[in-house]
Amino acid sequence: GAGVSQSPSNKVTEKGKDVELRCDPISGHTALYWYRQSLGQGLEFLIYFQGNSAPDKSGLPSDRFSAERTGGSVSTLTIQRTQQEDSAVYLCASRGTIISYEQYFGPGTRLTVT
Amino acid sequence: GQSLEQPSEVTAVEGAIVQINCTYQTSGFYGLSWYQQHDGGAPTFLSYNGLDGLEETGRFSSFLSRSDSYGYLLLQELQMKDSASYFCAVRRNSGNTPLVFGKGTRLSVIA
Repeated sequence: GAGVSQSPSNKVTEKGKDVELRCDPISGHTALYWYRQSLGQGLEFLIYFQGNSAPDKSGLPSDRFSAERTGGSVSTLTIQRTQQEDSAVYLCASRGTIISYEQYFGPGTRLTVT
Repeated sequence: GQSLEQPSEVTAVEGAIVQINCTYQTSGFYGLSWYQQHDGGAPTFLSYNGLDGLEETGRFSSFLSRSDSYGYLLLQELQMKDSASYFCAVRRNSGNTPLVFGKGTRLSVIA
């Protein structure tokens, strides 16, 4: 089937505006992750959803960041009052089962805050 | 805290062999993964080591030594298309918890 998809692929916004980034995981995958990747850097964990459990929000850098996952499928990452330091590529990944060790990544959303 | 150390850049000649090392210090360790990322692309899974030793997948092999908190990715018969960033990532437990990624090694393959 289809892989992980994300939209938009690129987003330019003005400082102070709110943005929403969307992730469609692979159908049937129970685990969904959001990571952030700044230029030339590794992947920084933001938030993790596993089935119907409460999400692990321990990686969110501030209370301006939030995410939800509806119906155990699509997820939306919301950044309120964007700042220039929020500029990065936001990657979503999903994983099927606990015995599977591969995370499947989407193509990312490149966010630029001007 | 969690830390994974890998070289920031490596350059190698087409057809040669290159080894990218990764040392880790994490709270919990269950296995080590390697991901490849081309410029502008998504990270893609290459290899996973849950046990000590060597795992081979075509031209790529990965090694793990738990006692040394160390692993490496070995790329043989390098091709120009192997130019990319390579990330090691620690799986900290048997569940679905997030991976902890290194900062990546940028590999440049030259003719």
